[in-house]
Amino acid sequence: EAQVTQNPRYLITVTGKKLTVTCSQNMNHEYMSWYRQDPGLGLRQIYYSMNVEVTDKGDVPEGYKVSRKEKRNFPLILESPSPNQTSLYFCASRPLGPNTGELFFGEGSRLTVL
Amino acid sequence: AQSVTQLGSHVSVSEGALVLLRCNYSSSVPPYLFWYVQYPNQGLQLLLKYTTGATLVKGINGFEAEFKKSETSFHLTKPSAHMSDAAEYFCAVSENMEGNEKLTFGTGTRLTIIP
Repeated sequence: EAQVTQNPRYLITVTGKKLTVTCSQNMNHEYMSWYRQDPGLGLRQIYYSMNVEVTDKGDVPEGYKVSRKEKRNFPLILESPSPNQTSLYFCASRPLGPNTGELFFGEGSRLTVL
Repeated sequence: AQSVTQLGSHVSVSEGALVLLRCNYSSSVPPYLFWYVQYPNQGLQLLLKYTTGATLVKGINGFEAEFKKSETSFHLTKPSAHMSDAAEYFCAVSENMEGNEKLTFGTGTRLTIIP
């Protein structure tokens, strides 16, 4: 089954304790991206990647890191989480090319930073 | 820069009634437009998209949307609401899906269906 898998789905942590949210897709997509969803703000892009070893900042990259060492994986790293990073996070992927359009989303990771 | 405005963060309709969710966009070039749906505790999934060609686009679950360039709108409609349509709906715009252009999402509209 074609899917984007995120882990963990739920996490409660404390300020300053490094954490990683993993994302893996089995569709051989070149493009991957991380979004955060907050009430009243919709989805905002954190980082994206066009292919292996190619990453770039989205609209709200502060406090986050990413890496793309393999095509299928795109982990999101919070080196020193803060309460304002409490949010619902989504990983998404799509192929590159004309008229591809559709983003495929994972089921989300709900993070609470105390 | 591209942007999306969704009018109404919450919309309630009776079961069997018309569903109309409004979306207006801003784009400097001909846009690609999308509607995504998010059911509780799930990720977003594509309802329908407009890229080029016919301006009336049909999607899954009986939804459709019409691209109106003169009004910069892409409203989502369904003739008869079903209880299973209760979800959050996001309109999104992109100016170039071939490269690194990201989707810009609206703030979402939560649809409630009244029995």
